[in-house]
Amino acid sequence: QSALTQPPSASGSPGQSVTISCTGTSSDVGAYNYVSWYQQHPGKAPQLMIYEVNKRPSGVPDRFSGSKSGNTASLTVSGLQAEDEADYYCTSYAGSSNLVVFGGGTKLTVL
Amino acid sequence: QVQLQESGPGLVKPSQTLSLTCTVAGGSISSGDYYWSWIRQPPGKGLEWIGYIYYSGSTYYNPSLKSRVSISVDTSQNQFSLKLNSVTAADTAVYYCARDGDDDDSGGYGRMGYWGQGTRVTVSS
Repeated sequence: QSALTQPPSASGSPGQSVTISCTGTSSDVGAYNYVSWYQQHPGKAPQLMIYEVNKRPSGVPDRFSGSKSGNTASLTVSGLQAEDEADYYCTSYAGSSNLVVFGGGTKLTVL
Repeated sequence: QVQLQESGPGLVKPSQTLSLTCTVAGGSISSGDYYWSWIRQPPGKGLEWIGYIYYSGSTYYNPSLKSRVSISVDTSQNQFSLKLNSVTAADTAVYYCARDGDDDDSGGYGRMGYWGQGTRVTVSS
């Protein structure tokens, strides 16, 4: 079971937009619309930000959006705020044998 | 509001078995179409999905850990548990339990909206 590929880091200034990619294969990201994104602040448990590619749980600001094209999913954070600085992880359903796979994580820095 | 809480030893000796329990409050572990998950995070590293269990007892594991891991459920106590045997230093991590699925959707697809706070487990002699 291979982890999904994310860039180790991303950054942007307050008010700007930043996009984080999550690349999988035709067996996971490309095969299913079950991509989720998590935000994790240091020392805290992850928080669900996006599920099923582009759906937001109640309470998540609409500055967070998700999309997918082929084997690559993306998380876009618009109107960057200082509190958005955190680690972000993607996951994908990978079928009945591999089930759930995480990306390696991206550290988002707000400059 | 659903709450999850991990519990168990913080120190395990190499070659022994790591055992953790997750207690669910604010909802029955038997209700809804949820999968009850374990995830871990080694120090300074990313998240790794360990596996999950349905309340009926059906289990699904990460292939890389399958030979060493066991997840069970105790519906009477509203708890589910993790056992990882033959541990090494590489199993040192913060271990999280989480609920996969929500009221409007079936679980098992990586949608984990509720997490425990995590418990740190160190493997060392």
